[in-house]
Amino acid sequence: KAGVTQTPRYLIKTRGQQVTLSCSPISGHRSVSWYQQTPGQGLQFLFEYFSETQRNKGNFPGRFSGRQFSNSRSEMNVSTLELGDSALYLCASSLQTGGSGNTIYFGEGSWLTVV
Amino acid sequence: AQKITQTQPGMFVQEKEAVTLDCTYDTSDPSYGLFWYKQPSSGEMIFLIYQGSYDQQNATEGRYSLNFQKARKSANLVISASQLGDSAMYFCAMRANSGGYQKVTFGTGTKLQVIP
Repeated sequence: KAGVTQTPRYLIKTRGQQVTLSCSPISGHRSVSWYQQTPGQGLQFLFEYFSETQRNKGNFPGRFSGRQFSNSRSEMNVSTLELGDSALYLCASSLQTGGSGNTIYFGEGSWLTVV
Repeated sequence: AQKITQTQPGMFVQEKEAVTLDCTYDTSDPSYGLFWYKQPSSGEMIFLIYQGSYDQQNATEGRYSLNFQKARKSANLVISASQLGDSAMYFCAMRANSGGYQKVTFGTGTKLQVIP
């Protein structure tokens, strides 16, 4: 069974540009969530999608957006990139959106460097 | 408010020895789940073990076990017979209801280094 797949794995962008990251969840998983990880802030929750609807959102500016498609694949977009957006972006999938025992499984992440 | 606390920024352990990574949590939700993840330098977060708040027994998965002490609100990860490949960051996480949403909260992590 394939795991969570994220593309691209590494990318370098210039300040002011925008970037789109892609995530394919584990087959059968309908919930996809995104996290930003930086050395200074640790793991921070961005948003969660379930059945193409955003179910939960973290405290990030509107430059960060996402969407989910009918096949559960998800994309996140960051517009007007800033140096501080340099981070590892992790996508995670789970069977459903609720339930305390609902394990989330992560992809390998996308390393974004903004120069 | 939900909170996960990992007080050990870094740990060293000799190969083949056991090591305990500490995790304490706080939540007002009586139904919650506790998770441990391993993150090697490659970046991928690898799921290790899960403990439910109503589980009577401590969870075990191979060399990993979770020492769950509900009254103390602690969920320590025990790795037995450490291997060089265990060197990585380890994160404790909790899923619980907060403000009407199921929220996942992560600790700051513990960097484990296994010494040959």
